[in-house]
Formats: sequence, structure tokens, C-alpha cells
Amino acid sequence: EAGVTQFPSHSVIEKGQTVTLRCDPISGHDNLYWYRRVMGKEIKFLLHFVKESKQDESGMPNNRFLAERTGGTYSTLKVQPAELEDSGVYFCASSPRTGGGYTFGSGTRLTVV
Amino acid sequence: RKEVEQDPGPFNVPEGATVAFNCTYSNSASQSFFWYRQDCRKEPKLLMSVYSSGNEDGRFTAQLNRASQYISLLIRDSKLSDSATYLCVSSGGTSYGKLTFGQGTILTVHP
Repeated sequence: EAGVTQFPSHSVIEKGQTVTLRCDPISGHDNLYWYRRVMGKEIKFLLHFVKESKQDESGMPNNRFLAERTGGTYSTLKVQPAELEDSGVYFCASSPRTGGGYTFGSGTRLTVV
Repeated sequence: RKEVEQDPGPFNVPEGATVAFNCTYSNSASQSFFWYRQDCRKEPKLLMSVYSSGNEDGRFTAQLNRASQYISLLIRDSKLSDSATYLCVSSGGTSYGKLTFGQGTILTVHP
């Protein structure tokens, strides 16, 4: 079974540019989550999709971040415009509808310069 | 105050040692607890769930004390391959499925 796939693995962009991160969850997993780890801090929740619907987006830092999950399959997280403090590792995770079985992707390391 | 607090360490122990990590959580509505392991520049991976009755998986023993809002992880007979960051994690409460992470405890096992 393929795991959670994230693309790109690394991204270096200039302040003010736009970046889009992609996450392909495990097939059949209704729950999809985005998390972020900023250097020196703990991993923090950003948002939770159940299929294509946003269940909880309480962790989104501000309106420069936009997450979508069209058709309830893959998800994208767009940062526009990127700021220096957005640098960090963005993890995606998925789990089955019944809960449990959380699987993380290997993350996208974003550096804003 | 962080919702999940851990001693960041680092813990440096010789092979064969027993090491214990502790964690406290502030949200009494949290329902589930876990220990995750994260290797350098990798994703977190579930090590074990934590139950009030205590649970053991080989050399690893986890314990939850709901009254004290305290979680522990004991590693016996440490191996070099146990070197990693150990993350204390809670889940549940008002946000089903959302995980709340501690900052992690760094463990280095040396020969």
C-alpha cells in the first residue's frame, strides 16, 4: 500500500512569492490533516479535512494560507504571499474515516528567503 | 503554557541503560495519548498508544495517569537505534482527530 506522498520535498522561495504544497493521502482515507513544524517549536496542527470538507481549520495562521481538497482526494496548501516566518516543515497525514491509523507523509521543507 | 509539555533533554545514555521520559498535558478533555518517534529530518511515526492500565511493547513501557495528567515512557536496554526524538502526543477533546504534540525529547544512545 502506498503511503502518504508529499510534493515537493524541498522548496526555497523568496519572500512575497507563492508556493503550493501537495499531499496525496493513502487511498480511501477520508481524513486528511496538515501540520507544520517551525524551527525550535513543536509540530502544530493547521487543519483537518473530512473528504472535501474542512472539518477544523483553527490552526491556520492567517489568510495567506489556503488549503483545498478537491474531490476528496489529494490536497494542496498554498501560501501567498510567503513570509520569512512561514519557513518550516509542513507535514500531511491521513487516517481512515473510523479514526486511528494516522500516517504521516515525509514532509515538505519550506525555506523562505 | 503549552498544552503538552516535555523535557526537551537531550538525554545521552550508554547502550543497555534504562531511560524514562515524562510528559504533562493541560487539556483535561484530551481522550487519547501516544508516543511518536521522529528520526532526524523524517516524519513522526507512531511508537505506541498509552493507556491508563499501562502498556508494554517489548522494551518500551508507557503509562498514563489521568488524575495527574501525566504520561511516561520507559525504554529498557537501550539500543543505538533508539536514538531519536520522542514526541508526547494527545488527541481528542473538542477537536476529533487533531493531534497536539509536545516539543519532543531528544535521546542519544552511545556505545
